[in-house]
Amino acid sequence: QSALTQPASVSGSPGQSITISCTGTSSDVGGYNYVSWYQQHPGKAPKLMIYEVSNRPSGVPDRFSGSKSGNTASLTISGLQAEDEADYYCSSYTSSSMVVFGGGTKLTVL
Amino acid sequence: QVQLVESGGGLVKPGGSLRLSCAASGFTFSDYYMSWIRQAPGKGLEWVSYISSSGSTIYYADSVKGRFTISRDNAKNSLYLQMNSLRAEDTAVYYCARAAGRGHWFDPWGQGTLVTVSS
Repeated sequence: QSALTQPASVSGSPGQSITISCTGTSSDVGGYNYVSWYQQHPGKAPKLMIYEVSNRPSGVPDRFSGSKSGNTASLTISGLQAEDEADYYCSSYTSSSMVVFGGGTKLTVL
Repeated sequence: QVQLVESGGGLVKPGGSLRLSCAASGFTFSDYYMSWIRQAPGKGLEWVSYISSSGSTIYYADSVKGRFTISRDNAKNSLYLQMNSLRAEDTAVYYCARAAGRGHWFDPWGQGTLVTVSS
């Protein structure tokens, strides 16, 4: 199972919006609405930010939103804040009943 | 509150074995699928395995199939990962995570335990 494809890095200024893409295939991202996104600060455990493509767990700011089109899912962060600087990973359930993660995207807040 | 605490990591020689444990609290452990996910130093996340609430359904990543065994003890609210025939490329922080369904998403995650495979 190949990893999902994410850009290695993205950046934005405080207050701006950024979007991180996550590209898979029809056997994972495109085939199921089980795409999730995780935020990981250095030395910390990952934290769930989005599940089932576009749902936010309780406590996650509504600045974070998710969407999907075909085989590509996206995480959008609006109104960037300094504390959003972190690594972000997407994940998808697959047709083999397994799970695949993206390679991760480092978000820099300028 | 929901808490997951991993233990059992350490330094092991190539070809050796190690057993990781994950103690769960704050939720009905026996109601949930559980999973192990690892992260090599400076690298991304890699799903390792998941197990159903009863233990009857188990899946592994191809990279660990035949070498790793996931199990659980619902009476002890504990998840385990028996790792045999360890290789240098198994060096990673291993996280346990509560899973929604068959790994549809993971929340929360433990703090992780470091496994180092080196001679």
